[in-house]
Amino acid sequence: DQQVKQNSPSLSVQEGRISILNCDYTNSMFDYFLWYKKYPAEGPTFLISISSIKDKNEDGRFTVFLNKSAKHLSLHIVPSQPGDSAVYFCAASGGLNYGGSQGNLIFGKGTKLSVKP
Amino acid sequence: DSGVTQTPKHLITATGQRVTLRCSPRSGDLSVYWYQQSLDQGLQFLIQYYNGEERAKGNILERFSAQQFPDLHSELNLSSLELGDSALYFCASSVWDGGLGDTQYFGPGTRLTVL
Repeated sequence: DQQVKQNSPSLSVQEGRISILNCDYTNSMFDYFLWYKKYPAEGPTFLISISSIKDKNEDGRFTVFLNKSAKHLSLHIVPSQPGDSAVYFCAASGGLNYGGSQGNLIFGKGTKLSVKP
Repeated sequence: DSGVTQTPKHLITATGQRVTLRCSPRSGDLSVYWYQQSLDQGLQFLIQYYNGEERAKGNILERFSAQQFPDLHSELNLSSLELGDSALYFCASSVWDGGLGDTQYFGPGTRLTVL
C-alpha cells in the first residue's frame, strides 16, 4: 500500500511558466514533508520542506503548500527554468513507520519535470 | 555537494558474492540512513543508525546488514547477491534521530550491478 503517491509520472512546462507538482498521502501521522530533486546518476537533492503545523513554506522560486484535511501537498516553481528539468520526489516522515522510528522517509515514485525553452 | 560521501560509485559483481558499501555522513550528523532505488520500486528505506546504534529497520533482506562505526561512518553489507539486488543504493544523513525538522541529505549513491 503506497502511503505517498505522486500520480503524475511526468509534466511538461514552458520556460517562465509555473510548474505545479502534486503529492497525496494516506498516513495522518506524517508530520514532516520534503521535496527532493534528482538528476540521473546523482543522489536526491533537498529542495524545500514543510511541517504539519504550517500550510505554506517559500524559498525563492519554490513554494510548498500543505492541505492537511485533503492529505495533499504541492510544489510550485515560479518561474520555471530549463535547469529545473529533473525528477521530483515527494517524501514524508513521522509517526511510527518502522521499528518505532519517526525518521525514515517514505517516498513517492517521482514526477519527471521537463521545462522547455 | 551535500557533504555525504559514498564509495564506490559503481560496483559490478557476480551472483553469490558479497560486497560492502561505505558512507560518510555530513560533519556533525549522527544519523545515517540507507535506501535502495530499483527500477520499479522507487526509493525504499532499508535501515537507520543513530550514533552507532540501530534505530529502525525497513524492508531490509536478512542477507543485508549494516553498522555504524565510532567515527559515524557506516557500511552496508550485501551477501549472497542475486540478480534482483542490482540497484542504486543511497546513504543519507541527518543531525538528530529523525522526525520533525530533521532533514536528510543524500549522497551520490552506489550503483550495484549483479551479473
